[in-house]
Amino acid sequence: KAGVTQTPRYLIKTRGQQVTLSCSPISGHRSVSWYQQTPGQGLQFLFEYFSETQRNKGNFPGRFSGRQFSNSRSEMNVSTLELGDSALYLCASRWSGTTSTDTQYFGPGTRLTVL
Amino acid sequence: AQSVAQPEDQVNVAEGNPLTVKCTYSVSGNPYLFWYVQYPNRGLQFLLKYITGDNLVKGSYGFEAEFNKSQTSFHLKKPSALVSDSALYFCAVRDGEGSGTYKYIFGTGTRLKVLA
Repeated sequence: KAGVTQTPRYLIKTRGQQVTLSCSPISGHRSVSWYQQTPGQGLQFLFEYFSETQRNKGNFPGRFSGRQFSNSRSEMNVSTLELGDSALYLCASRWSGTTSTDTQYFGPGTRLTVL
Repeated sequence: AQSVAQPEDQVNVAEGNPLTVKCTYSVSGNPYLFWYVQYPNRGLQFLLKYITGDNLVKGSYGFEAEFNKSQTSFHLKKPSALVSDSALYFCAVRDGEGSGTYKYIFGTGTRLKVLA
């Protein structure tokens, strides 16, 4: 079974631009979560989508948004990019957030560099 | 709110020696605990989890973790370290108990360096 895939793997943008990252979960998984990883802040939770609805949200500004499609694929969008948005963005999927034993599996990440 | 702490930024161990990466947790209900490993320029790989049952949990690549309720710890262990185990290790706890929805809280990570 294929793992979580993320595209693109690397991205370079300039301040003020916007960017869209894509995540395809493991087949059958309905929950997709997004994380930002930076050396200074570690792994920070952005949001989670389940059945096309945002179910959880971390403490990020409104410039960060996401959505999930009917096939469970998810996109994350960052508008008006700032230098501090440079990070590794990780996507993780799991079967169902309401199952006590489900495990979250991560994709390889998208490395975003903002110049 | 749930939280996890990884008190060591880096752990150095000689190849062939046992290794321990520490994690302590704070939860208001039953703890659901996880360990992940991250190699350079890669995502996080799942190693093992504790939901309930035996306090010693066995996982991938020869790793195991010991759940200790009285000490609120969930330390990651391996009897004999390999140079290829050198990576960044994250402990995580699942938040949201009783709400029907869950999110994961990650520790700050511990860099393991296995010396040949």
